[in-house]
Amino acid sequence: EVQLVESGGGLIQPGGSLRLSCAASGFTVSTNDMNWVRQAPGKGLEWVSVVFGGSRTHYADSVKGRFTISRDNSKNTLLLQMNSLRAEDTAVYYCARARENWGTWYFDLWGRGTLVTVSS
Amino acid sequence: SYVLTQPPSVSVAPGQTARITCGGNDIGSKSVYWYQQKPGQAPVLVISDDRDRPSGIPERFSGSNSGNTATLIISSVEAGDEADYFCQVWEVSSDHPVFGGGTKLTVL
Repeated sequence: EVQLVESGGGLIQPGGSLRLSCAASGFTVSTNDMNWVRQAPGKGLEWVSVVFGGSRTHYADSVKGRFTISRDNSKNTLLLQMNSLRAEDTAVYYCARARENWGTWYFDLWGRGTLVTVSS
Repeated sequence: SYVLTQPPSVSVAPGQTARITCGGNDIGSKSVYWYQQKPGQAPVLVISDDRDRPSGIPERFSGSNSGNTATLIISSVEAGDEADYFCQVWEVSSDHPVFGGGTKLTVL
């Protein structure tokens, strides 16, 4: 079955660090464009980061310099290292696979998400 | 940055047609994607490239896009269609996706 399963969320104090994982099955993470998208409580979706199949990465301005996206190809897993966390980073974090369509991208597979709460 | 505007809520009786709009400057020149999200579940792509239905999505779901408004149309609405719906485009200038704020569809 083709699916994504996130883990690693939890309660963390402001300024702390957390690493999220997204285990993929049914396809290979290393050859796909993989993203993190978050959703703050009661809010809409916000794109966070992407790692393209060729390893180029891109970040939202709100997380640039604090978050790092990467892949563990041996485990077919997408990672998100989050440092210097702030209260406004509190959200459900979704892992999502992107597909390209004539120079634009959309998301054809999502995980169920993992909740990150930044609070003292 | 590019902004997509959706109504916070839309209500419709079972069997009727629901129309959820997504407004953006010249959105008709962009490809629009629609996602359905039920409580506690992952989003699901229901419309691709303005009007294409992915495999497994009922024919009741359709889309249109022109001028400054894209529309998700759900005909013969069922109780199981109750969910949040998000539109999405790709912002070429900043090279990242942009989502609308979401619309909660309530089936009366």
